Amino acid sequence: GQNIDQPTEMTATEGAIVQINCTYQTSGFNGLFWYQQHAGEAPTFLSYNVLDGLEEKGRFSSFLSRSKGYSYLLLKELQMKDSASYLCAVADSNYQLIWGAGTKLIIKP
Amino acid sequence: DGGITQSPKYLFRKEGQNVTLSCEQNLNHDAMYWYRQDPGQGLRLIYYSQIVNDFQKGDIAEGYSVSREKKESFPLTVTSAQKNPTAFYLCASSILSDRGGTDTQYFGPGTRLTVL
Repeated sequence: GQNIDQPTEMTATEGAIVQINCTYQTSGFNGLFWYQQHAGEAPTFLSYNVLDGLEEKGRFSSFLSRSKGYSYLLLKELQMKDSASYLCAVADSNYQLIWGAGTKLIIKP
Repeated sequence: DGGITQSPKYLFRKEGQNVTLSCEQNLNHDAMYWYRQDPGQGLRLIYYSQIVNDFQKGDIAEGYSVSREKKESFPLTVTSAQKNPTAFYLCASSILSDRGGTDTQYFGPGTRLTVL
């Protein structure tokens, strides 16, 4: 079966760095997406990785290793507004997105 | 402003009633999707459409129906056959990429349906 695993919840301190991991087992791979979702709102797109390596976008970076079936989202200089759920999704061989359950990130002052 | 709209944001219905959730986009995207989100679970695909007058079932289509009469619109009907309809429903759209698949999906604000 197809499976995406992420930690359920993480806690970090304002100003610090946090890494949210995502491991996947899917039938085929056509890219990995990270989305941010604040409570009660829609997911918003953060990043897309299809080749191995690190993609940096301001305070957020995303890493992919296809051979390991592994990605992480790195958030630097954490702000209170970064408190949200972070969703990992993989496009399978049919380009359908398989979604993880999301990681709830709690930021403490 | 380009975007995806869903209405209403909150919807209450009695058990046994059908209800239709609207989704409109003015992004000129070919593909549209309906997802359901339940606490502690990933998004689950209900239906998707890549072209007008055509749509495919997702993983959990039972108890739902859709139509795609216009490129901009993809309404979802939750029928009385859906056993657990209370959930957060998200509509999304994307372009069809040159690779032959879909590209980044962009979401509407969602409709929270509660069946009493």
